[in-house]
Amino acid sequence: ETGVTQTPRHLVMGMTNKKSLKCEQHLGHNAMYWYKQSAKKPLELMFVYNFKEQTENNSVPSRFSPECPNSSHLFLHLHTLQPEDSALYLCASSPLSGGSSGANVLTFGAGSRLTVL
Amino acid sequence: GQNIDQPTEMTATEGAIVQINCTYQTSGFNGLFWYQQHAGEAPTFLSYNVLDGLEEKGRFSSFLSRSKGYSYLLLKELQMKDSASYLCAVSDSNYQLIWGAGTKLIIKP
Repeated sequence: ETGVTQTPRHLVMGMTNKKSLKCEQHLGHNAMYWYKQSAKKPLELMFVYNFKEQTENNSVPSRFSPECPNSSHLFLHLHTLQPEDSALYLCASSPLSGGSSGANVLTFGAGSRLTVL
Repeated sequence: GQNIDQPTEMTATEGAIVQINCTYQTSGFNGLFWYQQHAGEAPTFLSYNVLDGLEEKGRFSSFLSRSKGYSYLLLKELQMKDSASYLCAVSDSNYQLIWGAGTKLIIKP
């Protein structure tokens, strides 16, 4: 497989459930990102990992918990979510993070569509 | 605060030309980016401007005026497959991308 792969593509969960989103990139990139995309709103950056170290946490509620075991894999653990958390969650990668505009050329996955009931 | 403005939706005819505008106010500037996102798919990188002027890439061109805080994406010879959302984003002084809400482009036959 090439590019950035996200699973599952669709997820429906209750507010008391615990689930995880998975992202995998096969591009040899060193930076990975989680974004939230809601209808008619700008992309919201949630977390950034650079060489598997978290370098950005954009004031995200603790009910979202990221994990980056290596530079190729990124998880977003979800628990006790709220209906307003329903959105498309996009994973992205780039060769590096910060310090140059090259870091802003992102390769995105197709996203995980999350619905919280 | 930081702000990116672009039209919510535009409609154009197959074979025609369309210009999607983007204005920005950011703390610092390290480049302006355009991404394309088809419905249900990943956003994909289209173009990048850091200096004033026009960058041409096939049927797509992107223009930047830093003094005016303004960019546009020009799509020529429109095809049905160009129906998508077009996202404008600016890299600020910390190389963080500030995103617009996207412009949904509808192409009619």
